[in-house]
Amino acid sequence: NAGVTQTPKFQVLKTGQSMTLQCAQDMNHEYMSWYRQDPGMGLRLIHYSVGAGITDQGEVPNGYNVSRSTTEDFPLRLLSAAPSQTSVYFCASSYPNSPYNEQFFGPGTRLTVL
Amino acid sequence: DAKTTQPNSMESNEEEPVHLPCNHSTISGTDYIHWYRQLPSQGPEYVIHGLTSNVNNRMASLAIAEDRKSSTLILHRATLRDAAVYYCILRFTGNQFYFGTGTSLTVIP
Repeated sequence: NAGVTQTPKFQVLKTGQSMTLQCAQDMNHEYMSWYRQDPGMGLRLIHYSVGAGITDQGEVPNGYNVSRSTTEDFPLRLLSAAPSQTSVYFCASSYPNSPYNEQFFGPGTRLTVL
Repeated sequence: DAKTTQPNSMESNEEEPVHLPCNHSTISGTDYIHWYRQLPSQGPEYVIHGLTSNVNNRMASLAIAEDRKSSTLILHRATLRDAAVYYCILRFTGNQFYFGTGTSLTVIP
């Protein structure tokens, strides 16, 4: 299994540009989520999905959109990039809603917005 | 939302035990206590979790206070590869994890 994969690894955008961060998992996990991590900080939840066709907002959803058309993929879209969105983005997945299931994280996408 | 409190940083000598504390005084009866760690330039990885009883696995042990308001992650013999940020997290139903800033562990050779 490849686990959780994210592309690209690095990205530089100009203010106002849009882009999509890709996330895929091959473990048949129902639950997927996106986090951002700012320098010296912990991870903050952006959006999450408990299955195909179902998404919900996390702690910091503004400026981001998500959709979940398949179990495997959970892309994160930046609609109009801003310097405040400069961060490292992590995707994670786990088995369905359960308080004891571990989450598997991808390697991250480092995004810089100029 | 239940939150956790951890020291910002700790140091340990290589091959000595490390005790990483976490306070979670607002924990509810159904919250599981999870520990994750994040190695430099990597995504977090699962370490251990528990509810009420102490837990052991190949990576670490988790000691949970009787009132569940605190817990301690124990690395039995720290290695240089254990240098990381360790996060103590309370997991609710709804699959939402709330990460704090964690404890940055430095292992001294």
